[in-house]
Amino acid sequence: QQQVKQSPQSLIVQKGGIPIINCAYENTAFDYFPWYQQFPGKGPALLIAIRPDVSEKKEGRFTISFNKSAKQFSLHIMDSQPGDSATYFCAASNTGTASKLTFGTGTRLQVTL
Amino acid sequence: DAGITQSPRHKVTETGTPVTLRCHQTENHRYMYWYRQDPGHGLRLIHYSYGVKDTDKGEVSDGYSVSRSKTEDFLLTLESATSSQTSVYFCAISERPGEQYFGPGTRLTVT
Repeated sequence: QQQVKQSPQSLIVQKGGIPIINCAYENTAFDYFPWYQQFPGKGPALLIAIRPDVSEKKEGRFTISFNKSAKQFSLHIMDSQPGDSATYFCAASNTGTASKLTFGTGTRLQVTL
Repeated sequence: DAGITQSPRHKVTETGTPVTLRCHQTENHRYMYWYRQDPGHGLRLIHYSYGVKDTDKGEVSDGYSVSRSKTEDFLLTLESATSSQTSVYFCAISERPGEQYFGPGTRLTVT
């Protein structure tokens, strides 16, 4: 059962563009929503995270938008750079249950010159 | 990689053989997790631990067992490896709720 649905599977944008990756969840008990960035041959790295009591969080060029009523959240990358080319995973957790994460299936982002 | 090492980093083994993967952390984090990563599936939780000798199953635990005898070490064992267990395996650690930090991964091929 896919509890976190992520789209698109892949995305190509030009340098300076704003890629947007979307995720939707089903379990209303989720209370922590992180995004991970993964480069080839490396482990996922925690990028940014949000809790449902806020609708937006910014860290540098990365922004999470959160819509609790729609059970959706998205990652925006401002002024994207070729170095942002990676696979991005959204995830969700019920922090009261050993903080287990349920991951989306990933989005492969390519930023071209 | 937040003080996490995994060994071996690569392994090729034959169907039916036992395999043990090791995760070692130097952060003294309470929680440890084993995931597998496969194309089209993202990362799926195999087993996790919430303390020494305290472990529980994740969503894809069949065919896997784990042990944690020390805070710093979390072992994943495939009792009898099958080709469907060919995957990249990641260990993660956590101390604050929800924040997990991943190791570099182990690429396992079962022939």
